[in-house]
Amino acid sequence: EAQVTQNPRYLITVTGKKLTVTCSQNMNHEYMSWYRQDPGLGLRQIYYSMNVEVTDKGDVPEGYKVSRKEKRNFPLILESPSPNQTSLYFCASSLLAGSFAYEQYFGPGTRLTVT
Amino acid sequence: DAKTTQPPSMDCAEGRAANLPCNHSTISGNEYVYWYRQIHSQGPQYIIHGLKNNETNEMASLIITEDRKSSTLILPHATLRDTAVYYCIVRALRQGGGATNKLIFGTGTLLAVQP
Repeated sequence: EAQVTQNPRYLITVTGKKLTVTCSQNMNHEYMSWYRQDPGLGLRQIYYSMNVEVTDKGDVPEGYKVSRKEKRNFPLILESPSPNQTSLYFCASSLLAGSFAYEQYFGPGTRLTVT
Repeated sequence: DAKTTQPPSMDCAEGRAANLPCNHSTISGNEYVYWYRQIHSQGPQYIIHGLKNNETNEMASLIITEDRKSSTLILPHATLRDTAVYYCIVRALRQGGGATNKLIFGTGTLLAVQP
């Protein structure tokens, strides 16, 4: 089954304790992206990647890191989490072919609470 | 990418057609109209997209006006499981850079399907 998976689905952690949220897709998609969703602010893009070893900042990259060492994986790293990073996080992926932007497939979400 | 305007909420009786409007009066010639939906706190789900012709797939139909300044998503026989927030998004073809692959989610329309 074609899908985007995220782990963990729920995480409660403390300020300053490094964490990684994993994202994996099995559709051989070039493009992957991370969004966060907060009440009243909608979904905002954190980072994206056009292909292996190619990443770039989205609208709200502060406090986050990403890496794209393999095509299928795009982990989100919080080196020193703070309470304002408490949010619902979504990973997404899509094909990229020429100039056409295909539809994006989203993971089930990771609910992160930082105390 | 062009801005979209959607009503904040709509009701629909189960089994009836749900017609969700979207205004995108500043849309430009190379911008597509995409529809996604998000069932409570799940990952957004792609529904359909179009450029200027009407489109239909197994989930829905998309009607785009001739001047392309507005569109309507039609769910032909709404069920309780169609209760979700529906997002209308306008975005351009990818043009070399990665930025136009970003999805900008507005506040969407909360569709409540009533039994």
